Amino acid sequence: GAVVSQHPSWVICKSGTSVKIECRSLDFQATTMFWYRQFPKQSLMLMATSNEGSKATYEQGVEKDKFLINHASLTLSTLTVTSAHPEDSSFYICSARDPPEQYFGPGTRLTVT
Amino acid sequence: AQSVSQHNHHVILSEAASLELGCNYSYGGTVNLFWYVQYPGQHLQLLLKYFSGDPLVKGIKGFEAEFIKSKFSFNLRKPSVQWSDTAEYFCAVRDSSASKIIFGSGTRLSIRP
Repeated sequence: GAVVSQHPSWVICKSGTSVKIECRSLDFQATTMFWYRQFPKQSLMLMATSNEGSKATYEQGVEKDKFLINHASLTLSTLTVTSAHPEDSSFYICSARDPPEQYFGPGTRLTVT
Repeated sequence: AQSVSQHNHHVILSEAASLELGCNYSYGGTVNLFWYVQYPGQHLQLLLKYFSGDPLVKGIKGFEAEFIKSKFSFNLRKPSVQWSDTAEYFCAVRDSSASKIIFGSGTRLSIRP
């Protein structure tokens, strides 16, 4: 099946710094990618929908200036957590759509100290 | 907007017991339905999906689910669970005209050996 990769798989950063997470579709082109967030022992919450070549669509309550999404190519979307704080510590999961299928990446664990 | 309800937050069973996890969704149109599993410390895996056709869907590892349109339900079943089925199970729905997948709150399944 199709593969979605994320890099890094885990990252620790200091409060106030920014962190970039990459999501790649390895063997297919994805015009649409999604970013989810999962807190410990909770479900996946959709943060935003990323469309190649256009602005991302954010879900209600998600700060677009804090979570910057760039979908610059058909195989790469990036999520930048700006001025990260401890409450941003979470598991970030991306997903790429290859209609009608949708494939999930392995996730990136972010810890902000 | 669509939503997904999983009423069982934590289910505890003994090995060889039968399993049924409930999932209800709210959306009046045509939907795609999914069950995902997340084993401890691992990333999301697709168990099975329903797009159209036979409402009884068979997935991996002996799991199956039945789509009952009149009840807006897509319950997951397995006739005989194993200790290795211990995991978090997520039901998810996608409006077939849209692209984003929305997840339920998840059900934690614990199997006593």
